[in-house]
Amino acid sequence: QVQLQQSGPGLVKTSQTLSMTCAISGDTIYSNTAAWNWIRQSPSRGLEWLGRTYYRSKWYFEYALSVRSRITISPDTSNNQFSLQLNFVTPEDTAVYYCARDVDFQYWGQGILVTVSS
Amino acid sequence: QTVVTQEPSLTVSPGGTVTLTCASSTGAVTSGYYANWFQQKPGQAPRSLIYTITNRHSWTPARFSGSLLGGKAALTLSGVQPEDEADYYCLLFYAGAWGFGGGTKLTVL
Repeated sequence: QVQLQQSGPGLVKTSQTLSMTCAISGDTIYSNTAAWNWIRQSPSRGLEWLGRTYYRSKWYFEYALSVRSRITISPDTSNNQFSLQLNFVTPEDTAVYYCARDVDFQYWGQGILVTVSS
Repeated sequence: QTVVTQEPSLTVSPGGTVTLTCASSTGAVTSGYYANWFQQKPGQAPRSLIYTITNRHSWTPARFSGSLLGGKAALTLSGVQPEDEADYYCLLFYAGAWGFGGGTKLTVL
């Protein structure tokens, strides 16, 4: 049974960096079929895919155009987890953030509401 | 990257049939778009119903079916139940990126 457990702050100040981690159990971040995604949801922007990482003999990273200049997704192979960093946040980045595995999107993290405020 | 379009809202009677569609700004949706469908009820996280166009999960009722229809991805609900009232989102893959539709609010009335 795959589980994704998210951790991270619920409040980030404007212009600072949002950081969040998704710990994987029941699967390996080196999976040759899965990719590891970050997704967010807000009333104003709906569901928005942010990016993903996956391993196919080397690491690949793909990001949404809307956040490409500000986002980094990093695998942490020692701890079988992956992280999200979103720089220079504004109140528009206020959302519930999810991690998810995209073999079939069966497995999601629990979601963390992140509020961006000065 | 693709812009994904869904009907904003649909209404269906209990026991009826309704089809939700999902279009891509890049052209006809094909199998390579790996269409996914999610159901979301108030206060809950999205839950996957259909993956890779037609595949149901073990928890997905048989009345939900996915297909390609007229250049779009489609989700058909046959024999709609009151508990199917929810928001439905599609997700398409194109050029190395996933894109969500804006969602369809399904009312069962």
